[in-house]
Amino acid sequence: DAKTTQPPSMDCAEGRAANLPCNHSTISGNEYVYWYRQIHSQGPQYIIHGLKNNETNEMASLIITEDRKSSTLILPHATLRDTAVYYCIVRVAGGTSYGKLTFGQGTILTVHP
Amino acid sequence: AAGVIQSPRHLIKEKRETATLKCYPIPRHDTVYWYQQGPGQDPQFLISFYEKMQSDKGSIPDRFSAQQFSDYHSELNMSSLELGDSALYFCASSLVSGSYNEQFFGPGTRLTVL
Repeated sequence: DAKTTQPPSMDCAEGRAANLPCNHSTISGNEYVYWYRQIHSQGPQYIIHGLKNNETNEMASLIITEDRKSSTLILPHATLRDTAVYYCIVRVAGGTSYGKLTFGQGTILTVHP
Repeated sequence: AAGVIQSPRHLIKEKRETATLKCYPIPRHDTVYWYQQGPGQDPQFLISFYEKMQSDKGSIPDRFSAQQFSDYHSELNMSSLELGDSALYFCASSLVSGSYNEQFFGPGTRLTVL
């Protein structure tokens, strides 16, 4: 799986958009970008994933650059409950051999009032 | 909606004892994963099972073993416990034939070895 690089920490004001970047310059053509988050000591939570098109769901939006070497997770209106560690993970989707998630250093997002 | 269930939620053991952690996946999910998260560390993949067969293996110590049963629940057995085994242990489940194999995590079992 491709290696990812994320800033160790970010701050965001409540109600504002949080934009979390991720670099994955060695991503392969069949690898997807996944985002998970972990709120203190809870199980990681799936947020969103994408291949090359921008994606949006009820939690967030994912913007992937055209060369697919980087992406940005956007939380449009951050709340205090969004304070968590956010992990960007790149891996092949589907198939049992590629199912494991490799968690690297994520971004600690702190949302403040 | 049903979620992944793990038991027990907390477990305290002495060194050299054994421990068994249980995981009940989301109904109809066919794959179970185990992760270990030490204090201040990121989750690390241990082992996974697909349709009751081991599908992948990570940095799982030889003292640990796991299996998936006919009802798809899984157990992680840990023997000769060491202080360094103190960690959060997460189980996750997914449906391989689903869209993109998203994993859904349980609340974890906090193991403390004294």
